[in-house]
Amino acid sequence: GIQVEQSPPDLILQEGANSTLRCNFSDSVNNLQWFHQNPWGQLINLFYIPSGTKQNGRLSATTVATERYSLLYISSSQTTDSGVYFCAVGLFGNEKLTFGTGTRLTIIP
Amino acid sequence: DSGVTQTPKHLITATGQRVTLRCSPRSGDLSVYWYQQSLDQGLQFLIQYYNGEERAKGNILERFSAQQFPDLHSELNLSSLELGDSALYFCASSVDIGSGEQYFGPGTRLTVT
Repeated sequence: GIQVEQSPPDLILQEGANSTLRCNFSDSVNNLQWFHQNPWGQLINLFYIPSGTKQNGRLSATTVATERYSLLYISSSQTTDSGVYFCAVGLFGNEKLTFGTGTRLTIIP
Repeated sequence: DSGVTQTPKHLITATGQRVTLRCSPRSGDLSVYWYQQSLDQGLQFLIQYYNGEERAKGNILERFSAQQFPDLHSELNLSSLELGDSALYFCASSVDIGSGEQYFGPGTRLTVT
């Protein structure tokens, strides 16, 4: 099956710093989503981005489908950004999402 | 709020027991997915229903079963529970099949003692 790798596995930053999270995948995808899992366990949809670039406030994401990677940018980090960020992909003709192992982000005040 | 609801939020039960988790998809969504998040296996796809019919199966144990009802809500039944079934169970929904964003519910945290 498709492999999804996220890096780095852990990231500790001071409040106000910027960060870039990466997701590599091993096959052509029809769906790519970024999620934030907060400390209470909820999975929050951040972006649906099978290709191209999107921005939402301090967050933006870019997927280069031909090179099989996606990047999530977080600017001016806040403590509420702490949690685990997951990338998940779906293949053509198969809607199930395959998740990466996540990047655990800790923002220190 | 994604619009997907799941009940109950928490469930504590004993080994050998049977439980039912319930999910209501977003209004208008026809496809429902179940995922399991455990410490050792990460987030894994279990099963998908589309408009009442099973569409895809993942790593779902034979002790687990699911269905989607005419009103499109779905239930995941877990039987003969084992300690290793303790996990966070998520339901997600999407408008259709083929592509499209999946929206996740808040999850049901199952603890088997």
